[in-house]
Amino acid sequence: QKEVEQNSGPLSVPEGAIASLNCTYSDRGSQSFFWYRQYSGKSPELIMSIYSNGDKEDGRFTAQLNKASQYVSLLIRDSQPSDSATYLCAVRTPSSGGSYIPTFGRGTSLIVHP
Amino acid sequence: GAGVSQSPSNKVTEKGKDVELRCDPISGHTALYWYRQRLGQGLEFLIYFQGNSAPDKSGLPSDRFSAERTGESVSTLTIQRTQQEDSAVYLCASSLGLAGVRETQYFGPGTRLLVL
Repeated sequence: QKEVEQNSGPLSVPEGAIASLNCTYSDRGSQSFFWYRQYSGKSPELIMSIYSNGDKEDGRFTAQLNKASQYVSLLIRDSQPSDSATYLCAVRTPSSGGSYIPTFGRGTSLIVHP
Repeated sequence: GAGVSQSPSNKVTEKGKDVELRCDPISGHTALYWYRQRLGQGLEFLIYFQGNSAPDKSGLPSDRFSAERTGESVSTLTIQRTQQEDSAVYLCASSLGLAGVRETQYFGPGTRLLVL
């Protein structure tokens, strides 16, 4: 059973702080890694993708990947109340049908309070 | 251009009835995915279409679920003899289908299904 694990939270941080969101995955054959943001009642929207070990920065967001530890994280610097949402980790793993299908974690709820 | 669209946005049905959900992907996107998201849960993969290849149906939870896609355009997800546990948001996503494992998915707004 391929699994993507996230702490459901909620993770509560003050405005301006760094929010750290973590994700682990079970399948060593996983090829690519994505972070999505999902506001309540809305569909997921892509924030970051990462494919190689190390860090990838985009504005206030940094994704970190460690394939040896099967761990991917998302850091949000200078957190804003508008960042309050559920953050979904997705990992492309081989399905039983042979396709590389994104497997999603259950998401971490982030609350940024003023 | 237009994003992924889905219809209906909401559907209330009675247990035992059949429902059809529709997805219009972004024009030019050859890959199309269906997911189910139960309340407070992550996205559960259902089925994947890529161009004219045979669909990957490995995520369909039972034979009550089926999906079709006309060429590289519209897809319909059909749930027969609906059960209360089918209540969920059904999300459709599409992608270009050219970048393999680095493909970025674009999601539609979802169909909220409630089975009474």
